[in-house]
Amino acid sequence: EVQLVESGGGLIQPGGSLRLSCAASGFTVSGNYVSWVRQAPGKGLEWVSIIYNNGNTYYADSVKGRFTISRDNSKNTLFLQMNSLRAEDTAVYYCARWQWQGRAQGMDVWGQGTTVTVSS
Amino acid sequence: QSALTQPASVSGSPGQSITISCTGTSSDVGSYNLVSWYQQHPGKAPKFMIYEGSKRPSGISNRFSGSKSGNTASLTISGLQAEDEAEYYCCSYAGSSTWVFGGGTRLTVL
Repeated sequence: EVQLVESGGGLIQPGGSLRLSCAASGFTVSGNYVSWVRQAPGKGLEWVSIIYNNGNTYYADSVKGRFTISRDNSKNTLFLQMNSLRAEDTAVYYCARWQWQGRAQGMDVWGQGTTVTVSS
Repeated sequence: QSALTQPASVSGSPGQSITISCTGTSSDVGSYNLVSWYQQHPGKAPKFMIYEGSKRPSGISNRFSGSKSGNTASLTISGLQAEDEAEYYCCSYAGSSTWVFGGGTRLTVL
């Protein structure tokens, strides 16, 4: 079964760091495009970052320089290292796989999300 | 990376059709045929409904259809059913390997 399971969320003080994990099954993260998408409480979806199968990484302006996406191929797991956290980073964070046929067509597999709360 | 513009809410009666618009710019929706749509029920993860503007993934009902004209993409749901009540989001490629979502539209089935 193709599945993504996020973990690592929690309560963190402003300025702190947190690392989210996303364990994949049924496919390899190394062979796919995979993203992080977040949703602040009561708000819409926001694209955060993507890692391509070739390892290239890209970020939304709102997190560039603070967040780092990476993967561990041996564990088939995606990560999001979040530094210098702000209150506005409070959200449910989803990882999602992209359906790809020559181009990134859409995110066809989503995890259940993990909640990050940035507050003192 | 400004969010795409969607109406905050739409509504329709069972059996009717509704259309949700998603307006971007010539830098995103207007430049690429890479608009996708997602359905999200409360407390659940988004579900992939439409890709490349008008194509349906396997398993998605043909009651859902998409289109694009200029800088605006649209999602049409025909034969509305109670289970269609949800939040709907569009998403477009915005160049330079970045993507942008719409603000979301709450669909109410009356």
